[in-house]
Amino acid sequence: QKEVEQDPGPLSVPEGAIVSLNCTYSNSAFQYFMWYRQYSRKGPELLMYTYSSGNKEDGRFTAQVDKSSKYISLFIRDSQPSDSATYLCASPPLACRPGAQKLVFGQGTRLTINP
Amino acid sequence: ETGVTQTPRHLVMGMTNKKSLKCEQHLGHNAMYWYKQSAKKPLELMFVYSLEERVENNSVPSRFSPECPNSSHLFLHLHTLQPEDSALYLCASSGDRVRIYNEQFFGPGTRLTVL
Repeated sequence: QKEVEQDPGPLSVPEGAIVSLNCTYSNSAFQYFMWYRQYSRKGPELLMYTYSSGNKEDGRFTAQVDKSSKYISLFIRDSQPSDSATYLCASPPLACRPGAQKLVFGQGTRLTINP
Repeated sequence: ETGVTQTPRHLVMGMTNKKSLKCEQHLGHNAMYWYKQSAKKPLELMFVYSLEERVENNSVPSRFSPECPNSSHLFLHLHTLQPEDSALYLCASSGDRVRIYNEQFFGPGTRLTVL
């Protein structure tokens, strides 16, 4: 079983729709959860991160973690064509040493927002 | 720009060639990473360097050989690769403060094609 599972999509929605992106994880040791966004021909960039269970909001983006069900979600409100990208969930199961951490990534969901 | 640069951006090589990928970070970080990103697969961590010392290599085949001469530069030396090694190779770096989580900043990647 993969440590982080993510539906690769593709997912296509109209502009203005609410988007829900989801991941599940299997390792109970995961504490931090990240969402990275990767535009075409670019490297991933950190969008949001959350610690433990609960919600975290940043503008149109909300990250949600449910540790009881090992479920991670990213919601995008009022989606824009500029949100079209691949979204990757990730978690660092342990810290190798200060400043260096292994990240376990989901497969990534390819999202397209249609004008 | 994320402060992490990679060269070349594209590379085509035969199975008998020897080539090197280069990564440079201008962020003052002291941890650097190599990832492999293949279509329909999660990002795979290949190597982690912290303070110029390799801390994890994740059972990567010996035809991939990393080198970290200093905390700003990271190389990935390639030799006798296989067609299945064709992928996007991403470099990342992270900070040196003692925190539970340090954001990783990614370069744009090198698109490698092995013929």
